Amino acid sequence: GAVVSQHPSWVICKSGTSVKIECRSLDFQATTMFWYRQFPKQSLMLMATSNEGSKATYEQGVEKDKFLINHASLTLSTLTVTSAHPEDSSFYICSSQVYQETQYFGPGTRLLVL
Amino acid sequence: GESVGLHLPTLSVQEGDNSIINCAYSNSASDYFIWYKQESGKGPQFIIDIRSNMDKRQGQRVTVLLNKTVKHLSLQIAATQPGDSAVYFCAEKGAQNFVFGPGTRLSVLP
Repeated sequence: GAVVSQHPSWVICKSGTSVKIECRSLDFQATTMFWYRQFPKQSLMLMATSNEGSKATYEQGVEKDKFLINHASLTLSTLTVTSAHPEDSSFYICSSQVYQETQYFGPGTRLLVL
Repeated sequence: GESVGLHLPTLSVQEGDNSIINCAYSNSASDYFIWYKQESGKGPQFIIDIRSNMDKRQGQRVTVLLNKTVKHLSLQIAATQPGDSAVYFCAEKGAQNFVFGPGTRLSVLP
């Protein structure tokens, strides 16, 4: 149990386009979902926390207009990177949590902006 | 705050030896701890957890030790195998949400 999926797993896009990444908890309903960003050989960096039906809470330094998060249901959260630029290229990972218990991570989405 | 982007420390271990990965946590009020394993190009995977009312918990080939006095958490991997090569993160949870450690890269030498 506790499977979290992400789609797409890989995306390559042109600079200036927007990219949407989906995160789904497949066999449980998540009260909270998290979005992380990870650069090569570095640790996880929390970008934002989202609860179903509420606005996401962004970490300091993360632009909310740049990284749009929608948490429409207990099983789905989306992250949209708007007007992507090469510096946005990274590995984006979501996680799902039930009532402040264990976080289960998705497999990650690798974004490359050309 | 959450973990920041740091370059990861590395632990190199001979195949078959035991590995010990350490983590210092910051909040004495944290009551739940998790170890995650992250292989290259994949998301972190839950390995084992422990609550603050315990000081040791064992899984299959893994043991987590918790020393609340010095706020220290360790992960022991018995008979380390090539498939154990990954980055290992500890996470602590207090009143708010999880805080992740910087991670340790485990390299298993043949």
